[in-house]
Amino acid sequence: GAGVSQTPSNKVTEKGKYVELRCDPISGHTALYWYRQSLGQGPEFLIYFQGTGAADDSGLPNDRFFAVRPEGSVSTLKIQRTERGDSAVYLCASSLIGGAEAFFGQGTRLTVV
Amino acid sequence: QKEVEQNSGPLSVPEGAIASLNCTYSDRGSQSFFWYRQYSGKSPELIMSIYSNGDKEDGRFTAQLNKASQYVSLLIRDSQPSDSATYLCFGSGTYKYIFGTGTRLKVLA
Repeated sequence: GAGVSQTPSNKVTEKGKYVELRCDPISGHTALYWYRQSLGQGPEFLIYFQGTGAADDSGLPNDRFFAVRPEGSVSTLKIQRTERGDSAVYLCASSLIGGAEAFFGQGTRLTVV
Repeated sequence: QKEVEQNSGPLSVPEGAIASLNCTYSDRGSQSFFWYRQYSGKSPELIMSIYSNGDKEDGRFTAQLNKASQYVSLLIRDSQPSDSATYLCFGSGTYKYIFGTGTRLKVLA
């Protein structure tokens, strides 16, 4: 696609529920990043994929968060047993290779009520 | 120590002035540096990348990199009210892109 696409753009869920957030990177980009951004803060790194593998998942806050990228393209961020503190904008970015310029999707605003 | 540090601002400059934004980083292995602009409620947008010491100019924007001192800066000449946004920098030390908190810039008309 022309740009990084994230779906849904907005998600409201109840506390304790499971959610999946999807990221479709720019075609041909091998590196993919997930970030979380709270109001007034810079994007917080969550996980970095190079191809299908998670090259660095040190930013995932706890084991309720998990991400996959099975075919090296689309990635899904999965959050189990959601908590109100998980409410934030989740950003996805991709780059041609690790270390190159990264381009962001429009984000998914997650609200846990 | 945070990997990337920026003054959160707000930095206020009058229209037409030069805005100077600074960023320091701790990872000496960082090779690539990027400046992003983020408008309220929007995603970060790449505006400059710099890979080697010195200056890089693109229109009204100049990025400066000093690896010995571990800082990278962004100058915006002839600042416009439309430049009012949060500016984020980061370096890609281990390909794990870590952002600073960003500097909020206000250009006063």
